[in-house]
Amino acid sequence: GAVVSQHPSRVICKSGTSVKIECRSLDFQATTMFWYRQFPKQSLMLMATSNEGSKATYEQGVEKDKFLINHASLTLSTLTVTSAHPEDSSFYICSASTVETQYFGPGTRLLVL
Amino acid sequence: SQELEQSPQSLIVQEGKNLTINCTSSKTLYGLYWYKQKYGEGLIFLMMLQKGGEEKSHEKITAKLDEKKQQSSLHITASQPSHAGIYLCGADNSGGSNYKLTFGKGTLLTVNP
Repeated sequence: GAVVSQHPSRVICKSGTSVKIECRSLDFQATTMFWYRQFPKQSLMLMATSNEGSKATYEQGVEKDKFLINHASLTLSTLTVTSAHPEDSSFYICSASTVETQYFGPGTRLLVL
Repeated sequence: SQELEQSPQSLIVQEGKNLTINCTSSKTLYGLYWYKQKYGEGLIFLMMLQKGGEEKSHEKITAKLDEKKQQSSLHITASQPSHAGIYLCGADNSGGSNYKLTFGKGTLLTVNP
């Protein structure tokens, strides 16, 4: 199946700093990528839909100024958590869609101290 | 109420036993996706169902879609410890071309040897 990578796999940062997470589709081009957030033992919550070359579409309740998404190319989307706070600590997963399904990255665990 | 209900929430079976996980959508289903996740990791795509009555199998896992009931079931035959993990169903309720999905809370499967 298609491969999606995420970097970093885990990051620890201080409160108030910004963290960038990269999502890459390694062997295919993805016009649409998705960013999800998952809390322990809970399901994935869609944060935003990222289309290459255009502004991301955010789900209700997700602050667009806090979670900056850039989809600069057909193989790369980035999520920047700005001025991170402890409540932003979570597991962030990206996915990239093909004509058959979404393929998910391995996730990034963010811990804000 | 949840848009996508999964049952059971958790399941413990003895190796070799069969099991079924159900997924029910409160909205029209245009596609139903099954994924497997190990805690703290990304999602592995299992199967996609789009047409009413469609049934797909991969190794010992079979999934069916009942479009009228807006339900899908995932059946594992002769379970093995390697089947253990979290099973998530994702629903396409929009019918759009970007495969935006809503996920259930997942079913935690434990297979005892």
